[in-house]
Amino acid sequence: QKEVEQDPGPLSVPEGAIVSLNCTYSNSAFQYFMWYRQYSRKGPELLMYTYSSGNKEDGRFTAQVDKSSKYISLFIRDSQPSDSATYLCAMSRPSGNTGKLIFGQGTTLQVKP
Amino acid sequence: DAGVIQSPRHEVTEMGQEVTLRCKPISGHDYLFWYRQTMMRGLELLIYFNNNVPIDDSGMPEDRFSAKMPNASFSTLKIQPSEPRDSAVYFCASSLRDRGRIAKNIQYFGAGTRLSVL
Repeated sequence: QKEVEQDPGPLSVPEGAIVSLNCTYSNSAFQYFMWYRQYSRKGPELLMYTYSSGNKEDGRFTAQVDKSSKYISLFIRDSQPSDSATYLCAMSRPSGNTGKLIFGQGTTLQVKP
Repeated sequence: DAGVIQSPRHEVTEMGQEVTLRCKPISGHDYLFWYRQTMMRGLELLIYFNNNVPIDDSGMPEDRFSAKMPNASFSTLKIQPSEPRDSAVYFCASSLRDRGRIAKNIQYFGAGTRLSVL
C-alpha cells in the first residue's frame, strides 16, 4: 500500500464548476501538507501549503486537512480553463529529520470552456 | 532568482549510451532532490542531498544510476548504460530547510529533462 493515495482521474468539468481534489494517507506522523500544480511539460509548482489540521484559503483555492480521517482536499471555486493541469498532493513529517516529501500520483484536471 | 535550472531539456539517446543530466539549484538552498516522473508510476524520488552529501539513495533503481553533487551549485544524475525503460521526465528540485518554529519543506522544481532511450 502506498503511503499517499490519489485518484489519477482524469477529471473533466465545465468552466465555473467547483472542483474537489482529494488524497488519503496512511502515516499519522505527517504534519505538513501541500498541493502542487503541474502544467503540461512543466515542473510542479507549489500552490497551497498547510500545517497540521484545518483550512486555508487563497483566492479561489481552499485546502483542507482532516488528520483524524487522514484525508486532505483541495477545492477550486469558479474553475477556469487555465486551471487545467495535474494536481499533486504532497506531505512530510516534521522537519528535523529530512526535507523529504511524499507525493501522490497526481490528478489530471481539465476545465472545459 | 532564476529558479532551478536543468539541462538539457530534451535528450534522445540509444540504448547502451551514457546519459548525464545536470541541475543547478536555487542559490542558498541546502537540499537537492532528483525525481523521475512517468505516467505509470507518477513522481518518484530517486535520491536527495543535504549540504552536498547524499542522504537517501534508496529510490535509485539500480547500479546503472548514479548521482553526484560536487558543490552547492551543481549536481548530476548519470545513467550508464541507458535502457528504454529509463525513458521518463527527470526533475531536479531544491529547498531550504527552515529552522523556524514551524519548519517548511517547500521544494522548488526545475522544468525537467525529457529523456527518450531508443
